[in-house]
Amino acid sequence: RKEVEQDPGPFNVPEGATVAFNCTYSNSASQSFFWYRQDCRKEPKLLMSVYSSGNEDGRFTAQLNRASQYISLLIRDSKLSDSATYLCVVNVGVDKLIFGTGTRLQVFP
Amino acid sequence: DTGVSQDPRHKITKRGQNVTFRCDPISEHNRLYWYRQTLGQGPEFLTYFQNEAQLEKSRLLSDRFSAERPKGSFSTLEIQRTEQGDSAMYLCASSQPKTRLAGGASSYNEQFFGPGTRLTVL
Repeated sequence: RKEVEQDPGPFNVPEGATVAFNCTYSNSASQSFFWYRQDCRKEPKLLMSVYSSGNEDGRFTAQLNRASQYISLLIRDSKLSDSATYLCVVNVGVDKLIFGTGTRLQVFP
Repeated sequence: DTGVSQDPRHKITKRGQNVTFRCDPISEHNRLYWYRQTLGQGPEFLTYFQNEAQLEKSRLLSDRFSAERPKGSFSTLEIQRTEQGDSAMYLCASSQPKTRLAGGASSYNEQFFGPGTRLTVL
């Protein structure tokens, strides 16, 4: 079983749609949680950290459920520029990042 | 450009050859990480350095792989006797030192990734 599991997609949504990605992790000792964004053939970039209290950054909302070991990302009012792969990431111990396989999002006009 | 840089960006080699990649981190960052990413997968942790000390190595890092950071600045990743299964994107990342927060917890400092070196082994 992978340490971080995500639905690989692709998710094909029209502009303006709301889309949600989910992820589960297996290591209960995981300390920090993130969503990274990766454009095609580019490096991953931090999108946002995820906290138990939930956090929002503009159109993006992330949520963590430690009891269920579940992380989510909600994107509202999707833009064409949101098309990318979204990587669920868990930090175990000494800043070793464990990445999911990524969920590919394609927003169409 | 003050971000993480990697060289070369692309490398094509024949099976059995040795290859070496270089990573230059952001100048004030003392932590440096190597990851490997294959098609359709997320990056996988290989190893990391704090200054010149290599503090952790993944089981993915076989004896054919070696990483160094001799002066605590740039790092090199060498793959000896390359195999077709080594074909991947090799990503380097760097971060600032962790700081101690109130209550004893340590901060998480964002890892900034370089553009990667894409290796193709024929």
